[in-house]
Amino acid sequence: NAGVTQTPKFRILKIGQSMTLQCAQDMNHNYMYWYRQDPGMGLKLIYYSVGAGITDKGEVPNGYNVSRSTTEDFPLRLELAAPSQTSVYFCATSNRGRGGTGELFFGEGSRLTVL
Amino acid sequence: AQSVTQLDSQVPVFEEAPVELRCNYSSSVSVYLFWYVQYPNQGLQLLLKYLSGSTLVKGINGFEAEFNKSQTSFHLRKPSVHISDTAEYFCAVSTAGGTSYGKLTFGQGTILTVHP
Repeated sequence: NAGVTQTPKFRILKIGQSMTLQCAQDMNHNYMYWYRQDPGMGLKLIYYSVGAGITDKGEVPNGYNVSRSTTEDFPLRLELAAPSQTSVYFCATSNRGRGGTGELFFGEGSRLTVL
Repeated sequence: AQSVTQLDSQVPVFEEAPVELRCNYSSSVSVYLFWYVQYPNQGLQLLLKYLSGSTLVKGINGFEAEFNKSQTSFHLRKPSVHISDTAEYFCAVSTAGGTSYGKLTFGQGTILTVHP
């Protein structure tokens, strides 16, 4: 049981380049989230999704886009990379439905550097 | 809006000593509270959670936390730490009930370093 899988684990981008961080889950959870983690800042919510076809902005959505065409996948796209987007990105899932407690299950993270 | 404040950014402690990591939250509605642990170069994993009921909750690896509604705190404790407890610990809060879609607000993190 893989849980939450993120790819790539590491990536270096040049300013202005675009890329997509992939997130796939096999837990059959409806809720999925993208967080970024910066030193001393904790985790900030970028986007989230409550099911296929439904996405919404979190606390820090600028510069990012998401889509949710299936329950399993929740990719995060950076259109014009900027140095401020250098961070560690975490995808997470949750079963907030009947019987769910809201606990988040995290992937191992994707470390992105923009130069 | 909710917020979480972890009062110590770093906590050094010797092996087998007790430790307390402090967390205060602010919210105008009822909340669920969580502690997560992050080992180097890994994702976060749940230590323990408070949803309702007993205010003292026990988690994995011998950790426990106490929910204090009047002081809006959820401090994490362990009576005797081990070298393997060295990690970063995050306190988090979400709105109780079904309106927040499980979104968590995280504190800034506390780095626990256990020395031999």
